[in-house]
Amino acid sequence: DAKTTQPPSMDCAEGRAANLPCNHSTISGNEYVYWYRQIHSQGPQYIIHGLKNNETNEMASLIITEDRKSSTLILPHATLRDTAVYYCIDDSNSGYALNFGKGTSLLVTP
Amino acid sequence: SAVISQKPSRDICQRGTSLTIQCQVDSQVTMMFWYRQQPGQSLTLIATANQGSEATYESGFVIDKFPISRPNLTFSTLTVSNMSPEDSSIYLCSVRGVGLNTEAFFGQGTRLTVV
Repeated sequence: DAKTTQPPSMDCAEGRAANLPCNHSTISGNEYVYWYRQIHSQGPQYIIHGLKNNETNEMASLIITEDRKSSTLILPHATLRDTAVYYCIDDSNSGYALNFGKGTSLLVTP
Repeated sequence: SAVISQKPSRDICQRGTSLTIQCQVDSQVTMMFWYRQQPGQSLTLIATANQGSEATYESGFVIDKFPISRPNLTFSTLTVSNMSPEDSSIYLCSVRGVGLNTEAFFGQGTRLTVV
């Protein structure tokens, strides 16, 4: 079973920031937090990952709490194309298969 | 990065038949993974395919039902055997590097409908 907990669904208005929370209270010291998303009828797409520092790339920002028990993925200006299921995964970065939970279904509305 | 091509993208099959799904990667990778995504569900790992050895199957998946081939470092096939309507799912191939930045890459999936 997946070791992360996410809300099943969220809504966000277009142009606003989407803040997607994830609880990973059992994460171990060598595990990273990965975020992927799956747009309808496509394979999952990598977004961002981090160990303990906050990270930012062209797609999103990842804020990890100091105790590493939770994190938030931030899409700063959500567009309709960001409507997707977002998966938070804790992983040891060892190259093995990712263990997907149920994710959060994000709906961006006009 | 890695680009993955899966074939076929979709198929409708009769129960009792078998379908072989192909996964081609544009670079050499050690491990390839096969996932199943049932309607409205998340991804479930079927097996890990390593070149030169037998695939490693997850609990609930067996080689007789889902035989896998991995003839080289860029190609793998998954066969769904003796299909029933319960096998209707999206099947996805994935690869991942080993090292510091080991993001996973996925094919677009094969949407299988068994009638």
